[in-house]
Amino acid sequence: DQQVKQNSPSLSVQEGRISILNCDYTNSMFDYFLWYKKYPAEGPTFLISISSIKDKNEDGRFTVFLNKSAKHLSLHIVPSQPGDSAVYFCAASPFYKLIFGTGTRLQVFP
Amino acid sequence: DADVTQTPRNRITKTGKRIMLECSQTKGHDRMYWYRQDPGLGLRLIYYSFDVKDINKGEISDGYSVSRQAQAKFSLSLESAIPNQTALYFCATSDASGGTTDTQYFGPGTRLTVL
Repeated sequence: DQQVKQNSPSLSVQEGRISILNCDYTNSMFDYFLWYKKYPAEGPTFLISISSIKDKNEDGRFTVFLNKSAKHLSLHIVPSQPGDSAVYFCAASPFYKLIFGTGTRLQVFP
Repeated sequence: DADVTQTPRNRITKTGKRIMLECSQTKGHDRMYWYRQDPGLGLRLIYYSFDVKDINKGEISDGYSVSRQAQAKFSLSLESAIPNQTALYFCATSDASGGTTDTQYFGPGTRLTVL
């Protein structure tokens, strides 16, 4: 049973526009969430995180929003750049472990 | 130099062979993890270790074993490899400063193929 879901396997966005990646989770006890970015032939790289006591966290072009009542979080990238093209994983961290979603492949085209 | 290294980066082996994947880190973190990634399934936890004397099974530990030789080294073994263990394997580390919340840092991965 998938506890962290990324229902969009892929997303294509024009350079300069906003990219919005979505993630849903099932367990209301999850209290910390992370986004990782993965390029081919590399390991996942930590991007940004959010605690359940917040509903928004910002780091440069990246903003994560958390809606606890809907059990939903999203990653906004503004403006999108070609170098953002990668697979993005959402993860929940219950008690020292990470539970990953299946990933969304983002392609940013010129 | 990379903080988390994995060897080998690629490995092809045959069914029934024993194989070891190694992970080393220079981050000084206490916690180490092994994940596998299969197409369309994200990353799944195999084993994790909070210190040298603490080893725990993850969600898919069957067919695998681990050894924590030192704070900086965590090895994953496949005792008798089978084709459905063909996957990408990632090692990760984290420190204990986050309490129950952890940011994990990943190695570059090992691509394992079992024929």
